[in-house]
Amino acid sequence: AQTVTQSQPEMSVQEAETVTLSCTYDTSESDYYLFWYKQPPSRQMILVIRQEAYKQQNATENRFSVNFQKAAKSFSLKISDSQLGDAAMYFCAYLGYGKLTFGQGTILTVHP
Amino acid sequence: GAVVSQHPSRVICKSGTSVKIECRSLDFQATTMFWYRQFPKQSLMLMATSNEGSKATYEQGVEKDKFLINHASLTLSTLTVTSAHPEDSSFYICSAYGTGVNEQFFGPGTRLTVL
Repeated sequence: AQTVTQSQPEMSVQEAETVTLSCTYDTSESDYYLFWYKQPPSRQMILVIRQEAYKQQNATENRFSVNFQKAAKSFSLKISDSQLGDAAMYFCAYLGYGKLTFGQGTILTVHP
Repeated sequence: GAVVSQHPSRVICKSGTSVKIECRSLDFQATTMFWYRQFPKQSLMLMATSNEGSKATYEQGVEKDKFLINHASLTLSTLTVTSAHPEDSSFYICSAYGTGVNEQFFGPGTRLTVL
């Protein structure tokens, strides 16, 4: 079974600074997808970024980028120029066999 | 992007009653829908997978007689919590796969409180 681990229950960052959220996963598959989701206080799940395992290039979406290390099974999220609106719970997720497996989540606080 | 709605957004019921939650894909056909449960400040736990026109597949530990799932059309799945008890109080989220898209689109969730 796939497992996803987020070892940082909480993180904080100053507005305009950069923060990196960690995620590791375990799988025996060679082709899969990885995602970072944001869940603000409204609890609506919002897709932040996705990475296809067969692509070596790290995904980037504006201020959000990932560091995908396939051999190490690591998938960290970097948020640059942090904004107050980035405060939320962030989930790393693995898509395999049609199912999403989520990590435990990291609560991100952004200080003004 | 694709939109998934859930109804109701909040429901309060008495212990012993049944509650139905609807999940609809508004602008695409969803061949597969998922139901998750989430406790405060915790992760999403997959409860079951439903495919249109067939029986739902439940995750280990989820009581299928308590959480009835029906996926009668390509745009609607329902979760019925039967004989609800206070321990069933939680946040329930549905998601849907679009055809040919390796991405799940999430509904806004339903907060269930059982008194």
